[in-house]
Amino acid sequence: KAGVTQTPRYLIKTRGQQVTLSCSPISGHRSVSWYQQTPGQGLQFLFEYFSETQRNKGNFPGRFSGRQFSNSRSEMNVSTLELGDSALYLCASSFLATAYNEQFFGPGTRLTVL
Amino acid sequence: ILNVEQSPQSLHVQEGDSTNFTCSFPSSNFYALHWYRWETAKSPEALFVMTLNGDEKKKGRISATLNTKEGYSYLYIKGSQPEDSATYLCAPTPDNNAGNMLTFGGGTRLMVKP
Repeated sequence: KAGVTQTPRYLIKTRGQQVTLSCSPISGHRSVSWYQQTPGQGLQFLFEYFSETQRNKGNFPGRFSGRQFSNSRSEMNVSTLELGDSALYLCASSFLATAYNEQFFGPGTRLTVL
Repeated sequence: ILNVEQSPQSLHVQEGDSTNFTCSFPSSNFYALHWYRWETAKSPEALFVMTLNGDEKKKGRISATLNTKEGYSYLYIKGSQPEDSATYLCAPTPDNNAGNMLTFGGGTRLMVKP
């Protein structure tokens, strides 16, 4: 079974631009979650989608948004990029959206904002 | 927002040493606890999901225990090997409605010297 894939793997943007990151979950998984990892804040939850519906959202500004498609693929968008948005963005998939399901993480997208 | 603490932040051990580290979380607000291992340049990998007080899980040389009444979990590694070098993350969830919204601790970075 193929693992979680994320594209692109690396991205360089400038302040004020917007960016879209993509995540393809493991086949059959319907839940996709997004996390941001920075040296100062660690790994922080952004949002979770299940069957095209956002179930939970972390404490991030409205510039961060996401969506999930009918094939469970998910995208996240960050508008008006700030320097502090430079981070590793990880997505994770699981079969169900219950608290005791293990999540399978992708390799991440490294975003650098200049 | 859950307050999750992991200690120590980092740990250097010799190959063959056994080691353990701690994850503390609010006992009043607990549903499940996840442990993940994150090796450098790889994706986080699920180790255990634990739900019951007194639960003990084992995978090879790695085991974990859970005390939900006092709000802590221990992760043990017996006979550490260089390939155990990684950051170990714990993430409790407060209830099943939290789904895949994991609140990660800061992690314990383990370095095993050959």
